[in-house]
Amino acid sequence: EVVLLESGGGLVQPGGSLTLSCVASGLSFSSYAMSWVRQAPGKGLEWVSAISGRGGSTYYADSVKGRFTISRDNSKSTLFLQMDSLRAEDTAVYYCAKALVSVTTFDSWGQGTLVAVSS
Amino acid sequence: EVVLTQSPGTLSLSPGERATLSCRASQTISASYLAWYQQKPGQAPRLLIYNASNRATGIPDRFSGSGSGTDFTLTISRLEPEDFAVYYCQQYGNSRFTFGPGTKVDLK
Repeated sequence: EVVLLESGGGLVQPGGSLTLSCVASGLSFSSYAMSWVRQAPGKGLEWVSAISGRGGSTYYADSVKGRFTISRDNSKSTLFLQMDSLRAEDTAVYYCAKALVSVTTFDSWGQGTLVAVSS
Repeated sequence: EVVLTQSPGTLSLSPGERATLSCRASQTISASYLAWYQQKPGQAPRLLIYNASNRATGIPDRFSGSGSGTDFTLTISRLEPEDFAVYYCQQYGNSRFTFGPGTKVDLK
């Protein structure tokens, strides 16, 4: 069974930084692309960023490009999201999600970690 | 960028009834790139359907997906009490993912 466990969320002031982590188990981690998807309170799902299995390719939503950095450590089966220059509109639950081999769909999700940006 | 529109916004039904949820794309997309998720309050989304019509592992056969081009449908043949939730469609293209705004299926 694939298990994804996020951590690192919390309260941060506007302009601040935060790094999220997602530890994966039950899979050959380096074989799968991974993504971060967020959900603002009471709102829908928004894809944030994706990274290829070996980490050589990264992709970002326009809303976070230049501020967020996705990375992974395959030796530790861990996915990261470095978030800089945080804004109030970044407040959300952040989920890590594993892609199917086809890359196009997310078949496993973590339980999410809440990031609140407020002064 | 492909925009997904879901209708209706809310669907009020009773257990045992049939639910038909629509997802429309702003331009033609490959059926291979269309998925459906279910989300219950306080929980992460769960994959139901991928490639427009393939049920994910462990998903009951009362859930089915269909469609092509710009119009896709998720059908729940007979609603069970645990099916009352929000449903999202999602598409992939140009190394990006977009979600629809969701359809809430609630108890009538």
